[in-house]
Amino acid sequence: KAGVTQTPRYLIKTRGQQVTLSCSPISGHRSVSWYQQTPGQGLQFLFEYFSETQRNKGNFPGRFSGRQFSNSRSEMNVSTLELGDSALYLCASSPEGGGPTGELFFGEGSRLTVL
Amino acid sequence: TQLLEQSPQFLSIQEGENLTVYCNSSSVFSSLQWYRQEPGEGPVLLVTVVTGGEVKKLKRLTFQFGDARKDSSLHITAAQPGDTGLYLCAGVKGGKLIFGQGTELSVKP
Repeated sequence: KAGVTQTPRYLIKTRGQQVTLSCSPISGHRSVSWYQQTPGQGLQFLFEYFSETQRNKGNFPGRFSGRQFSNSRSEMNVSTLELGDSALYLCASSPEGGGPTGELFFGEGSRLTVL
Repeated sequence: TQLLEQSPQFLSIQEGENLTVYCNSSSVFSSLQWYRQEPGEGPVLLVTVVTGGEVKKLKRLTFQFGDARKDSSLHITAAQPGDTGLYLCAGVKGGKLIFGQGTELSVKP
């Protein structure tokens, strides 16, 4: 079974630009969660999608948004990038129907550098 | 303030030594998970503890959930270089899986 696939793996942007990250969950998994990982803050929850609906949201500004498609693939978008947005963005999928409470299967992440 | 506090944040030991990593909170959790993350990869689940006082063993790793379900510990016996990585505890709060900041473990041969 293929794992969680995230693209791109690495990207460099400049302040003010926007970025879109993609995540393909494990086949059959309907829940997709996004996390931001930085050395100072650790793993911070961004949002979780299930059946194309955002079910939970973390404490991030509105510049961070996401969506999920009918095939469970998910994208997250960050607009008006700031230096502090530099981080590893991790996507995780879960077969659970009740939110990210069971085991999460993580992708390798997309490392974003904002210059 | 982190909901889940892990200690120590960094640990560098020699192969063969024992170590314990702690995950503490003032909140009660219905369950706690432990993940390990290696460089360049996403976290991988090691174990989930559900019952207060529960002890689970995974080869040389022993996980314990506190009686009050507010804390957990991970003990590694005879650490090996392959144990090197970031160890993360995580608990569910408000429908979200919240992570501690992690313990960076380095085991030197």
